[in-house]
Amino acid sequence: QVQLVQSGAEVKKPGASVKVSCKASGYTFTGYYIHWVRQAPGQRLEWMGWMNANSGGKVYAQQFQGRVTMTRDTSISTAYLELSGLRGDDTAIYYCARGGGPWDEIDPWGQGTLVTVSS
Amino acid sequence: SSELTQDPAVSVALGQTVRITCQGDSLRSHYVSWYQQKAGQAPVLVIFGKNNRPSGIPDRFSGSGSGNTASLTITGAQAEDEADYYCNSRDSSGNLLYVFGTGTKVTVL
Repeated sequence: QVQLVQSGAEVKKPGASVKVSCKASGYTFTGYYIHWVRQAPGQRLEWMGWMNANSGGKVYAQQFQGRVTMTRDTSISTAYLELSGLRGDDTAIYYCARGGGPWDEIDPWGQGTLVTVSS
Repeated sequence: SSELTQDPAVSVALGQTVRITCQGDSLRSHYVSWYQQKAGQAPVLVIFGKNNRPSGIPDRFSGSGSGNTASLTITGAQAEDEADYYCNSRDSSGNLLYVFGTGTKVTVL
């Protein structure tokens, strides 16, 4: 079945960087996009950007420009999200999800990775 | 960037019908999709396109829309439908950007 499995929880200090991985299985990785979405505690879903898993082309939400980097390794069907200059309000669950379908649907989602930023 | 606005919370009696709305300029020209998020879990796609359900989603979930408003209807709500629901579409300020709605908490009484 189509599945996205993310790396484990991280605890980082303010100013540090974090890199989250997302391993895809059950479909042709390069045939779709990968979206990254985050959710702070008790808050709404926040779209961060997407990456074309084939070309590597990417689009970032404006509020993350300059701090976020999305990459992939097609040989192992894995996408990565790196966020730098971490602040306390970056504490959130980070989700990867498959996109690029004909109806712009985002499905399925990874299980989420909790990133905690604390001194 | 544009916003997709949803009512913060709605309640529905067990077995009754509830409609959740999503408003935004981008809905005039882009597809909408709906996601269900239960407490402590990742979101799950429930409706996409005009009114398409992924396999495994009960047919009590349906979608509709007109102009700048999209709706998700649960006909015969069940206890397990209690969750947060989010709409999603492209951003009206740029075709390459996406945006999620503000979210609606559905309580089944």
